[in-house]
Amino acid sequence: QQQVKQSPQSLIVQKGGISIINCAYENTAFDYFPWYQQFPGKGPALLIAIRPDVSEKKEGRFTISFNKSAKQFSLHIMDSQPGDSATYFCAASDILTGGGNKLTFGTGTQLKVEL
Amino acid sequence: NAGVMQNPRHLVRRRGQEARLRCSPMKGHSHVYWYRQLPEEGLKFMVYLQKENIIDESGMPKERFSAEFPKEGPSILRIQQVVRGDSAAYFCASSPSTGRTTGELFFGEGSRLTVL
Repeated sequence: QQQVKQSPQSLIVQKGGISIINCAYENTAFDYFPWYQQFPGKGPALLIAIRPDVSEKKEGRFTISFNKSAKQFSLHIMDSQPGDSATYFCAASDILTGGGNKLTFGTGTQLKVEL
Repeated sequence: NAGVMQNPRHLVRRRGQEARLRCSPMKGHSHVYWYRQLPEEGLKFMVYLQKENIIDESGMPKERFSAEFPKEGPSILRIQQVVRGDSAAYFCASSPSTGRTTGELFFGEGSRLTVL
């Protein structure tokens, strides 16, 4: 059962353009929504994250928009650069017994930024 | 290097052999998670461990897979009698142990298992 749905599967954007990736979740117990960036051959790295008590969070060129009622959240990359070319994963979590943080990932979006 | 360390980075096994993947969490982290990434797919949760305890293994296949995080030494993900379908990248992540964490998981660079 896929609890986090991500789209599109792949995305090509021109340099300087806006990249938008969308995710939807089902589990209303989720209370933490991060985005991870992964380059080929590397592990995922946290890019930006949001909690459900705010509707938007911005860090540099990266913005998360969060719609709690629709159970959707999205990543916007402004002024996209070739160095942003990577796979992006949305995720969601609720706290586990013992204080841990089990993330449920979307299926990923391969972003390519062209010159 | 203070990051999550995984080894080996690449492992080739023939069907029926055993694979052992190791993970040393970041310094000060006592929560370890294992994820599996199949080609062109997202990361699937396998197991969450603390020192000497398996907290949640709801994502582990029922047979052939096991994990441990001993008091001393790295966490180990063990796959017995590997099959071709086990070919994947296995990622370890760690997080701090202090109460309600920030939520961030710190990932290693993964161990890529190929089963011939």
